[in-house]
Amino acid sequence: QVQLVQSGAEVKKPGASVKVSCKASGYTFTGYYLHWVRQAPGQGLEWMGWINPNSGGTNYAQKFQDRVTMTRDTSISTGYMEVSRLRYDDTAVYYCARGGGSSSEYDFDYWGQGTLVTVSS
Amino acid sequence: DIQMTQSPSSLSASVGDRVTITCRASQSISSYLNWYQQKPGRAPKLLIYAASSLQSGVPSRFSGSGSGTDFTLTISSLQPEDFATYYCQHSYRTPPAFGGGTKVEIK
Repeated sequence: QVQLVQSGAEVKKPGASVKVSCKASGYTFTGYYLHWVRQAPGQGLEWMGWINPNSGGTNYAQKFQDRVTMTRDTSISTGYMEVSRLRYDDTAVYYCARGGGSSSEYDFDYWGQGTLVTVSS
Repeated sequence: DIQMTQSPSSLSASVGDRVTITCRASQSISSYLNWYQQKPGRAPKLLIYAASSLQSGVPSRFSGSGSGTDFTLTISSLQPEDFATYYCQHSYRTPPAFGGGTKVEIK
């Protein structure tokens, strides 16, 4: 069965960086885009960008262009999302999600369990 | 960018009720519209894709309709496990965007 398993919760200081991992299993990792979506406490869902695990190509939301880097290691079917220069309002649950299982690469059919990143001094 | 607006933001309903949630796009998105269910502390779950296609394993009491700018999610007979927050999302082009959510609570 398809599974996305994310790394554990993080607490970081403002200005630091955080790197979250997402390990895929149960499908061909290079066959589907991997997206990242975040959710601030009590708020809605915000798309951050995708990585094409096959080519390594990326597409970031404009808001995150200069602070987010998405990478992958195909040998272990794992994607990574790093956010730099953390701010208090980056406190959120970060999800990875598989895209392209249905009619569009932006259909998110499987999700990781989420990783809580807390930015606190 | 395309904006998504959901209504209502919350509603109260009883088990067995028929529930309808609407979603409007700021411009035409054809049928590139998905619906997700999210329970507290859990990841979202895809219910409906391409406006009206039921994701595998999702109960048939969930249905979606619409095209262009106006879309609807209907739960034909609300069950206890359906109390959750529902989000629409367009998949028309980058960047994809979510609606603000509709919280379905127990009356």
